[in-house]
Amino acid sequence: AQSVTQLDSHVSVSEGTPVLLRCNYSSSYSPSLFWYVQHPNKGLQLLLKYTSAATLVKGINGFEAEFKKSETSFHLTKPSAHMSDAAEYFCVVSAGDMRFGAGTRLTVKP
Amino acid sequence: EPEVTQTPSHQVTQMGQEVILRCVPISNHLYFYWYRQILGQKVEFLVSFYNNEISEKSEIFDDQFSVERPDGSNFTLKIRSTKLEDSAMYFCASSASGRITDTQYFGPGTRLTVL
Repeated sequence: AQSVTQLDSHVSVSEGTPVLLRCNYSSSYSPSLFWYVQHPNKGLQLLLKYTSAATLVKGINGFEAEFKKSETSFHLTKPSAHMSDAAEYFCVVSAGDMRFGAGTRLTVKP
Repeated sequence: EPEVTQTPSHQVTQMGQEVILRCVPISNHLYFYWYRQILGQKVEFLVSFYNNEISEKSEIFDDQFSVERPDGSNFTLKIRSTKLEDSAMYFCASSASGRITDTQYFGPGTRLTVL
């Protein structure tokens, strides 16, 4: 069965410092993995996706994620947080339908 | 940039009433989906729809739920007799194909409150 686990429900960083949002997946075959972001009162916006091409995936707004099969991880990173990055982030595995993690709320302090 | 739209943004209804949530998917997409997120819980898959038929549904999607594409642009979710536990954010999504590698594009959601 396909599933994802987001290891942190809440991450708080200072503006200008790195961001790390952790996600582990479980899949019986080569997964398709996604990160979505949800700003308050907005829809779910795709940040990036992995579909078995390059293991390091670059997304929008300076985010990237690395697929590590040996660790069954797909962590989301950004070198320098911006205030506008404050939002809820979802790691998702596709199995036809999308299976969402519980979400990580990112807070960015000035 | 094309986007998925949903109306209304917030719907308040009395228990036992019927509600219809509306979505306009991206125009050249062929696959449509509904998800819901109960407050404080995960986003959960409800149903997928292709070629005017349900292609997959979860155990949440019982006989109280139905979906329809009444015309060439709208995609609706109907709840026949709402229960308190139906209170949630409902997201519509669409994709060009049904492949697992394909991106699903989500709308902003409809917040349903059942009193």
